[in-house]
Amino acid sequence: SQTIHQWPATLVQPVGSPLSLECTVEGTSNPNLYWYRQAAGRGLQLLFYSVGIGQISSEVPQNLSASRPQDRQFILSSKKLLLSDSGFYLCAWSVGDSSYEQYFGPGTRLTVT
Amino acid sequence: GENVEQHPSTLSVQEGDSAVIKCTYSDSASNYFPWYKQELGKRPQLIIDIRSNVGEKKDQRIAVTLNKTAKHFSLHITETQPEDSAVYFCAAPGGNTPLVFGKGTRLSVIA
Repeated sequence: SQTIHQWPATLVQPVGSPLSLECTVEGTSNPNLYWYRQAAGRGLQLLFYSVGIGQISSEVPQNLSASRPQDRQFILSSKKLLLSDSGFYLCAWSVGDSSYEQYFGPGTRLTVT
Repeated sequence: GENVEQHPSTLSVQEGDSAVIKCTYSDSASNYFPWYKQELGKRPQLIIDIRSNVGEKKDQRIAVTLNKTAKHFSLHITETQPEDSAVYFCAAPGGNTPLVFGKGTRLSVIA
């Protein structure tokens, strides 16, 4: 069966510091991968998605970037964090060209101070 | 692109009563409609979904109905229990784009 991991689970970072969040999926090949952000008490904002290694689509212009160095690894980065980057970061996966069933990882709760 | 509207934003029901959450979408090409449940501090979990070739799908106390003509779909929870309290999100794809989520409904089941 498929499992998805995210780390770290929680993170407290000062404004202006860099960020690296990691997501890995096990038990499937060539997954579609997604990064979402959820501000406190708010909805799900799609940040990036990837249909294959090196293929990244950005949905919202911001100071974040994403990379997919391996088939089942998705990384979210920032060079300099802003206070507004605080939130719950969720990675998700799906498989197949026509399958939209997305399954979420446990998330990383980021607080920028 | 796809636009998904979800109502109500908050909903309180007495334990044992039914709850209904409605979503509308804009892209007539959309063909997949999932519902997610998110408990406090947890990840969203897929609880039920429906594809455009059926009008209704049921799983125990949860059902989803779809009206393609009117471009809306609804989540129905019967015999609500305190553990149903959570935020529920609907979603729809728009052609080749990933899922677009509604803004969520906070359901409170009062014992």
